Amino acid sequence: EDQVTQSPEALRLQEGESSSLNCSYTVSGLRGLFWYRQDPGKGPEFLFTLYSAGEEKEKERLKATLTKKESFLHITAPKPEDSATYLCAVTNAGNNRKLIWGLGTSLGVNP
Amino acid sequence: DTGVSQDPRHKITKRGQNVTFRCDPISEHNRLYWYRQTLGQGPEFLTYFQNEAQLEKSRLLSDRFSAERPKGSFSTLEIQRTEQGDSAMYLCASSSSGTGPYEQYFGPGTRLTVT
Repeated sequence: EDQVTQSPEALRLQEGESSSLNCSYTVSGLRGLFWYRQDPGKGPEFLFTLYSAGEEKEKERLKATLTKKESFLHITAPKPEDSATYLCAVTNAGNNRKLIWGLGTSLGVNP
Repeated sequence: DTGVSQDPRHKITKRGQNVTFRCDPISEHNRLYWYRQTLGQGPEFLTYFQNEAQLEKSRLLSDRFSAERPKGSFSTLEIQRTEQGDSAMYLCASSSSGTGPYEQYFGPGTRLTVT
């Protein structure tokens, strides 16, 4: 069964303290891995799509990487405004429209 | 604003009442999705449209739920005879179509509270 596991469930950092969030997946034929950011009471905001192992994408303080088993979202020198829940989702070869979601990592950044 | 919009943003209803939500996707997107999300969970897939055709519906979706996209543009999600367990955030997303797995763009959601 296709599955996405995110860790840690929650993470609290000091401003400027870099760290990484993990997304491990088991999927029959990965077609794409997606990272989203979600603020409380709002819909998920698209961040990145990764398609194949070795691929990396960056946006401001965020960098997403992909291996054959997992993806990391690296946060460099975070700021309080980076506080949010970060969600990971995948699509498989059988259905590239349906997203399989993890439960997310809740990130808090202290000033 | 050219993003996905949803209306209303909040809805409080009494158990047993019917509710209807509206979603307006990004104009050039012909795929539209409905999800439900509860606290601490990822979005749960409900149904999916390509243009006006409803192509997939979750097996978990009760027959009290129905969705339409009559002209391939906006969509509505109706819940009949609401139950307290229907309380959740209802999210709409849209994407391009084709062979690739295209990213889905989400609206702000409709928060439903059933009392």
